[in-house]
Amino acid sequence: DTAVSQTPKYLVTQMGNDKSIKCEQNLGHDTMYWYKQDSKKFLKIMFSYNNKELIINETVPNRFSPKSPDKAHLNLHINSLELGDSAVYFCASSPRQGASQPQHFGDGTRLSIL
Amino acid sequence: DAKTTQPNSMESNEEEPVHLPCNHSTISGTDYIHWYRQLPSQGPEYVIHGLTSNVNNRMASLAIAEDRKSSTLILHRATLRDAAVYYCILRAPYNQGGKLIFGQGTELSVKP
Repeated sequence: DTAVSQTPKYLVTQMGNDKSIKCEQNLGHDTMYWYKQDSKKFLKIMFSYNNKELIINETVPNRFSPKSPDKAHLNLHINSLELGDSAVYFCASSPRQGASQPQHFGDGTRLSIL
Repeated sequence: DAKTTQPNSMESNEEEPVHLPCNHSTISGTDYIHWYRQLPSQGPEYVIHGLTSNVNNRMASLAIAEDRKSSTLILHRATLRDAAVYYCILRAPYNQGGKLIFGQGTELSVKP
Protein backbone atom coordinates (compact mmCIF):
# COMPACT_ATOMS: atom_id res chain seq x y z
CA ASP A 1 0.00 0.00 0.00
CA THR A 2 2.44 2.64 -1.18
CA ALA A 3 1.30 6.11 -0.10
CA VAL A 4 3.14 8.14 -2.74
CA SER A 5 4.18 6.16 -5.80
CA GLN A 6 6.27 7.32 -8.72
CA THR A 7 6.82 5.67 -12.08
CA PRO A 8 9.21 4.85 -13.51
CA LYS A 9 11.79 4.26 -10.81
CA TYR A 10 14.64 4.53 -13.31
CA LEU A 11 14.69 6.44 -16.59
CA VAL A 12 17.66 6.38 -18.96
CA THR A 13 17.30 8.37 -22.15
CA GLN A 14 19.15 10.42 -24.72
CA MET A 15 19.65 14.17 -24.78
CA GLY A 16 16.89 15.95 -26.70
CA ASN A 17 14.17 13.40 -25.93
CA ASP A 18 10.88 14.16 -24.18
CA LYS A 19 9.89 12.09 -21.14
CA SER A 20 7.25 11.99 -18.42
CA ILE A 21 7.30 10.93 -14.77
CA LYS A 22 4.04 10.02 -13.05
CA CYS A 23 3.12 10.45 -9.40
CA GLU A 24 0.08 9.22 -7.52
CA GLN A 25 -0.86 9.51 -3.85
CA ASN A 26 -3.56 7.47 -2.11
CA LEU A 27 -3.56 9.53 1.09
CA GLY A 28 -6.40 11.87 0.16
CA HIS A 29 -4.06 14.85 0.37
CA ASP A 30 -4.83 18.20 -1.25
CA THR A 31 -1.26 19.37 -1.97
CA MET A 32 1.43 17.76 -4.09
CA TYR A 33 5.04 18.71 -4.89
CA TRP A 34 7.96 17.95 -7.16
CA TYR A 35 11.53 18.19 -5.81
CA LYS A 36 14.85 17.68 -7.60
CA GLN A 37 17.93 16.18 -5.93
CA ASP A 38 21.13 16.81 -7.87
CA SER A 39 24.40 14.88 -7.89
CA LYS A 40 25.58 16.75 -4.79
CA LYS A 41 22.48 15.50 -2.94
CA PHE A 42 21.00 19.00 -2.70
CA LEU A 43 17.16 18.86 -2.61
CA LYS A 44 15.23 21.72 -4.15
CA ILE A 45 11.51 22.42 -4.64
CA MET A 46 10.36 22.69 -8.25
CA PHE A 47 6.57 22.87 -8.23
CA SER A 48 3.60 22.62 -5.92
CA TYR A 49 -0.08 22.08 -6.69
CA ASN A 50 -3.04 22.49 -4.38
CA ASN A 51 -6.31 20.91 -5.49
CA LYS A 52 -5.05 20.76 -9.08
CA GLU A 53 -3.95 24.41 -9.13
CA LEU A 54 -0.32 25.50 -9.48
CA ILE A 55 0.83 27.44 -6.41
CA ILE A 56 4.65 27.23 -6.63
CA ASN A 57 6.87 27.44 -9.70
CA GLU A 58 10.45 27.90 -8.53
CA THR A 59 11.99 29.42 -11.67
CA VAL A 60 12.20 26.05 -13.33
CA PRO A 61 12.92 26.10 -17.11
CA ASN A 62 9.72 25.97 -19.13
CA ARG A 63 10.90 22.67 -20.62
CA PHE A 64 9.45 21.25 -17.39
CA SER A 65 5.65 21.18 -17.37
CA PRO A 66 3.72 19.71 -14.44
CA LYS A 67 0.17 18.53 -14.92
CA SER A 68 -2.38 17.61 -12.28
CA PRO A 69 -5.40 15.82 -13.79
CA ASP A 70 -6.90 15.39 -10.30
CA LYS A 71 -5.68 16.04 -6.79
CA ALA A 72 -4.32 12.50 -6.42
CA HIS A 73 -1.98 12.82 -9.40
CA LEU A 74 0.85 15.17 -10.31
CA ASN A 75 2.83 14.27 -13.41
CA LEU A 76 6.01 15.91 -14.68
CA HIS A 77 6.73 16.21 -18.38
CA ILE A 78 10.18 17.25 -19.55
CA ASN A 79 10.87 18.39 -23.11
CA SER A 80 14.22 18.46 -24.90
CA LEU A 81 16.14 16.76 -22.10
CA GLU A 82 19.60 18.15 -21.31
CA LEU A 83 22.57 16.60 -19.54
CA GLY A 84 21.95 18.85 -16.52
CA ASP A 85 18.52 17.30 -16.03
CA SER A 86 20.17 14.14 -14.72
CA ALA A 87 19.02 13.92 -11.11
CA VAL A 88 16.62 12.14 -8.79
CA TYR A 89 13.11 13.60 -8.89
CA PHE A 90 10.91 13.19 -5.83
CA CYS A 91 7.17 13.62 -5.63
CA ALA A 92 5.58 14.48 -2.28
CA SER A 93 2.16 15.24 -0.84
CA SER A 94 0.73 16.88 2.27
CA PRO A 95 -2.79 17.05 3.71
CA ARG A 96 -3.03 20.78 2.97
CA GLN A 97 -0.77 23.74 2.32
CA GLY A 98 0.76 25.27 5.39
CA ALA A 99 3.78 25.33 7.62
CA SER A 100 2.56 22.67 10.05
CA GLN A 101 1.74 20.05 7.44
CA PRO A 102 4.11 17.06 7.16
CA GLN A 103 5.06 15.97 3.65
CA HIS A 104 5.14 12.35 2.47
CA PHE A 105 7.67 11.53 -0.24
CA GLY A 106 7.86 8.89 -2.92
CA ASP A 107 11.01 6.83 -3.49
CA GLY A 108 12.16 8.94 -6.40
CA THR A 109 12.74 8.61 -10.13
CA ARG A 110 16.39 8.38 -11.12
CA LEU A 111 16.77 10.16 -14.46
CA SER A 112 19.99 9.68 -16.42
CA ILE A 113 20.64 11.55 -19.65
CA LEU A 114 23.15 10.01 -22.06
CA ASP B 1 13.18 32.02 4.97
CA ALA B 2 15.28 31.77 8.11
CA LYS B 3 18.42 29.66 7.91
CA THR B 4 19.45 26.60 9.94
CA THR B 5 22.94 25.39 10.81
CA GLN B 6 23.71 21.72 11.47
CA PRO B 7 26.95 19.75 11.86
CA ASN B 8 27.93 18.02 8.64
CA SER B 9 28.24 14.62 10.26
CA MET B 10 27.84 12.77 13.55
CA GLU B 11 28.60 9.29 14.78
CA SER B 12 26.70 7.18 17.25
CA ASN B 13 26.85 3.71 18.73
CA GLU B 14 23.97 1.33 18.30
CA GLU B 15 21.41 1.34 21.15
CA GLU B 16 22.70 4.62 22.54
CA PRO B 17 20.78 7.92 22.47
CA VAL B 18 21.64 10.43 19.76
CA HIS B 19 21.23 14.19 20.06
CA LEU B 20 21.24 16.02 16.71
CA PRO B 21 21.59 19.79 17.15
CA CYS B 22 20.23 22.57 14.95
CA ASN B 23 20.84 26.29 15.31
CA HIS B 24 18.30 28.75 13.94
CA SER B 25 19.13 32.10 15.49
CA THR B 26 17.06 34.11 12.98
CA ILE B 27 13.86 32.12 13.55
CA SER B 28 10.70 34.21 13.65
CA GLY B 29 7.89 33.74 16.15
CA THR B 30 5.63 31.90 13.74
CA ASP B 31 8.19 29.55 12.11
CA TYR B 32 7.64 25.84 12.64
CA ILE B 33 10.69 23.61 13.19
CA HIS B 34 10.56 20.45 11.10
CA TRP B 35 12.89 17.46 10.94
CA TYR B 36 13.11 15.07 8.03
CA ARG B 37 15.57 12.29 7.31
CA GLN B 38 16.70 10.61 4.14
CA LEU B 39 17.91 7.04 4.23
CA PRO B 40 20.23 5.89 1.42
CA SER B 41 18.43 5.54 -1.93
CA GLN B 42 15.08 6.61 -0.47
CA GLY B 43 12.95 9.72 -0.43
CA PRO B 44 12.96 12.07 2.56
CA GLU B 45 10.87 10.90 5.50
CA TYR B 46 9.04 13.17 7.94
CA VAL B 47 10.29 12.71 11.51
CA ILE B 48 8.76 15.36 13.75
CA HIS B 49 7.85 19.03 13.99
CA GLY B 50 7.10 21.61 16.66
CA LEU B 51 6.50 25.29 17.30
CA THR B 52 7.33 26.17 20.90
CA SER B 53 6.86 23.12 23.14
CA ASN B 54 8.87 19.91 23.16
CA VAL B 55 7.29 17.14 21.12
CA ASN B 56 7.42 13.35 21.25
CA ASN B 57 6.31 10.76 18.74
CA ARG B 58 7.08 7.12 18.04
CA MET B 59 10.19 8.00 16.04
CA ALA B 60 11.89 10.70 18.09
CA SER B 61 11.66 13.64 20.46
CA LEU B 62 12.14 17.30 19.63
CA ALA B 63 13.54 19.58 22.28
CA ILE B 64 13.13 23.29 21.52
CA ALA B 65 15.15 25.90 23.41
CA GLU B 66 13.19 28.45 25.38
CA ASP B 67 14.33 31.28 23.08
CA ARG B 68 13.67 29.01 20.06
CA LYS B 69 17.08 29.82 18.59
CA SER B 70 18.08 26.17 18.63
CA SER B 71 16.52 22.73 18.77
CA THR B 72 17.67 19.14 19.23
CA LEU B 73 16.33 15.99 17.65
CA ILE B 74 16.66 13.07 20.04
CA LEU B 75 16.71 9.46 18.92
CA HIS B 76 16.34 7.52 22.16
CA ARG B 77 18.05 4.31 21.05
CA ALA B 78 19.87 4.45 17.75
CA THR B 79 19.63 1.45 15.47
CA LEU B 80 21.58 0.71 12.31
CA ARG B 81 18.44 1.67 10.36
CA ASP B 82 18.68 5.22 11.73
CA ALA B 83 21.80 5.89 9.65
CA ALA B 84 20.64 8.70 7.36
CA VAL B 85 20.95 12.40 6.56
CA TYR B 86 18.85 14.42 9.00
CA TYR B 87 17.49 17.79 7.91
CA CYS B 88 16.34 20.55 10.22
CA ILE B 89 13.99 22.91 8.33
CA LEU B 90 12.15 26.07 9.31
CA ARG B 91 8.76 26.69 7.71
CA ALA B 92 7.02 30.03 7.82
CA PRO B 93 3.22 30.29 7.69
CA TYR B 94 3.48 32.86 4.94
CA ASN B 95 5.73 30.51 2.96
CA GLN B 96 3.79 30.04 -0.22
CA GLY B 97 2.49 26.55 -0.58
CA GLY B 98 4.36 25.18 2.42
CA LYS B 99 7.47 24.29 0.46
CA LEU B 100 10.39 22.63 2.25
CA ILE B 101 13.77 24.33 1.89
CA PHE B 102 16.45 21.70 2.53
CA GLY B 103 19.95 22.55 3.70
CA GLN B 104 22.90 20.17 3.73
CA GLY B 105 21.74 18.25 6.81
CA THR B 106 23.68 16.07 9.25
CA GLU B 107 24.86 12.68 8.06
CA LEU B 108 24.43 10.28 10.97
CA SER B 109 26.38 7.05 11.00
CA VAL B 110 25.60 4.34 13.54
CA LYS B 111 28.23 1.85 14.62
CA PRO B 112 27.29 -1.64 15.77
